[in-house]
Amino acid sequence: ETGVTQTPRHLVMGMTNKKSLKCEQHLGHNAMYWYKQSAKKPLELMFVYSLEERVENNSVPSRFSPECPNSSHLFLHLHTLQPEDSALYLCASSQTPTGGVATNEKLFFGSGTQLSVL
Amino acid sequence: AQSVAQPEDQVNVAEGNPLTVKCTYSVSGNPYLFWYVQYPNRGLQFLLKYITGDNLVKGSYGFEAEFNKSQTSFHLKKPSALVSDSALYFCAVRDLYSSASKIIFGSGTRLSIRP
Repeated sequence: ETGVTQTPRHLVMGMTNKKSLKCEQHLGHNAMYWYKQSAKKPLELMFVYSLEERVENNSVPSRFSPECPNSSHLFLHLHTLQPEDSALYLCASSQTPTGGVATNEKLFFGSGTQLSVL
Repeated sequence: AQSVAQPEDQVNVAEGNPLTVKCTYSVSGNPYLFWYVQYPNRGLQFLLKYITGDNLVKGSYGFEAEFNKSQTSFHLKKPSALVSDSALYFCAVRDLYSSASKIIFGSGTRLSIRP
């Protein structure tokens, strides 16, 4: 148990559906992340929320929409996805020092949501 | 931009033999490097990190990594492999050109230890 919980573990959706992935961290961290894991590809950093600043990977399509209502919860809203969006979506958290750029913080990952888009 | 490369998709080793999982990096400035491991149906777990100091870094589960500046490498090693070490291993680098925390991962190397 890493202290980062993701739900659901598995999700199958059609291209016209709208769904949301949920992540909750119980570690008191101040930064949360969404990563996309596809086979034989580098983990793709999608979004970061750190110290209330949101950082986006500009290559992420607008059909993915993150929401971070507080430092413990993170959502990824999905709509009109494509079959190539099928992947394992991983949430992570870390403690980022305030007042400067962090260099050595450790990421704590959830077990992921395995998404299949039909 | 900071990046890491893992040249091997798969590494096969017999139990009891030494193992090496390769990683090379490309960074501007001082590198901040990490290794993570992913067991089946789990998220990634931190193994070890290099920030500054000794070139040989020791981590969890008996793993260590050797930082080599001239070869821009950060290979993961273990003197004697266990079957339970079979997993997916990711090398990563910290992106310093961001005020937010950004860790950039490689594509992963699947390590298979045969009994």
